[in-house]
Amino acid sequence: DQQVKQNSPSLSVQEGRISILNCDYTNSMFDYFLWYKKYPAEGPTFLISISSIKDKNEDGRFTVFLNKSAKHLSLHIVPSQPGDSAVYFCAASGSGGSNYKLTFGKGTLLTVNP
Amino acid sequence: DAMVIQNPRYQVTQFGKPVTLSCSQTLNHNVMYWYQQKSSQAPKLLFHYYDKDFNNEADTPDNFQSRRPNTSFCFLDIRSPGLGDAAMYLCATSRDLSTYNEQFFGPGTRLTVL
Repeated sequence: DQQVKQNSPSLSVQEGRISILNCDYTNSMFDYFLWYKKYPAEGPTFLISISSIKDKNEDGRFTVFLNKSAKHLSLHIVPSQPGDSAVYFCAASGSGGSNYKLTFGKGTLLTVNP
Repeated sequence: DAMVIQNPRYQVTQFGKPVTLSCSQTLNHNVMYWYQQKSSQAPKLLFHYYDKDFNNEADTPDNFQSRRPNTSFCFLDIRSPGLGDAAMYLCATSRDLSTYNEQFFGPGTRLTVL
């Protein structure tokens, strides 16, 4: 049972346009959400996070939006650059029991075309 | 630079032949994790150490074991690798088990089982 879902295995956008990567979750105990970026032959690297007390967090070209009622978050990259081409993983953790552990989605492969 | 290092980056073993994967960290973090990631799948947590305390995930096969001889090093032992164990193995660290701690990943070891 997937608690974190990234329903788009891949996304292709033109350089300079906006990339929107989506993530849905089912566990209402999750209250901290992270995005990781992974290049081929490298480990995931932390990109940006958001806690459930916020609905938006921005860091340069990257913005994460959280809609708690819909259990949905999205990562916006504006403007997209070819170097952003990578697999993006959504992850979640929460309070209570073993929810401090990170639960990952399957990832979305973003390709930014020059 | 503080980092998580995994050796080797690529490991080929034969069916049933024990193999050990290595992870070291210079972050001085208390927690070290081992994940298994198969193609197009989410990273799956196998187990973690908080200092010397070992925590095995309920669905981790007995074939997988781990050792943490000191703060800096952690090993993943696969006693009798099967073809289904071919995967990327990711080591990660975090400062502690707080919900709001990000995890730092190594580059991974790609295991091939012949």
